[in-house]
Amino acid sequence: EPEVTQTPSHQVTQMGQEVILRCVPISNHLYFYWYRQILGQKVEFLVSFYNNEISEKSEIFDDQFSVERPDGSNFTLKIRSTKLEDSAMYFCASRGIGGVRGSPLHFGNGTRLTVT
Amino acid sequence: AQRVTQPEKLLSVFKGAPVELKCNYSYSGSPELFWYVQYSRQRLQLLLRHISRESIKGFTADLNKGETSFHLKKPFAQEEDSAMYYCALSARAAGNKLTFGGGTRVLVKP
Repeated sequence: EPEVTQTPSHQVTQMGQEVILRCVPISNHLYFYWYRQILGQKVEFLVSFYNNEISEKSEIFDDQFSVERPDGSNFTLKIRSTKLEDSAMYFCASRGIGGVRGSPLHFGNGTRLTVT
Repeated sequence: AQRVTQPEKLLSVFKGAPVELKCNYSYSGSPELFWYVQYSRQRLQLLLRHISRESIKGFTADLNKGETSFHLKKPFAQEEDSAMYYCALSARAAGNKLTFGGGTRVLVKP
């Protein structure tokens, strides 16, 4: 069964540094998402992406964040200048179109980001 | 705005006992409800969606619009059911993004 893949599985970075989290969605999917989960807290929506543009973003997704689909397969999340509070598990997800209600989201294994 | 509430952070049951995970939601429109499961060190996986009305791994969930609930039930818990369970809501008007509850950790003891 096809899967969403994320790299790296764990990223450690110093405060103020830029990080890029990478995701390869399922190949025929058209909608892409980033979620994050701070340790001990709920999974939170960051951004959705469709047709090469952001379709929705949360208030968490400020100017320090950006997403890109640089080629036909990768979907990246960039944090320009990391803060301690950006430490979290970041999940990428994708879905196809399928049916009246749409297909469900498929999640990657996540990237654990630790900002020191 | 949509919201999902899972009141129990931890449910501990013995093998063979019934288990029920509560989920309540608030949304003014017509949502779609899901249960996702995350086993230790694994990704979030779809367990159930309300429109499928099916039983997966012995779990069922019924959408009760009057009570705005989507509780997850299994009559006989197994040790392999130990995991984190997340209730989630998707609304077409909200771009189909998922809004998650806080999650319930289920521990099934032998």
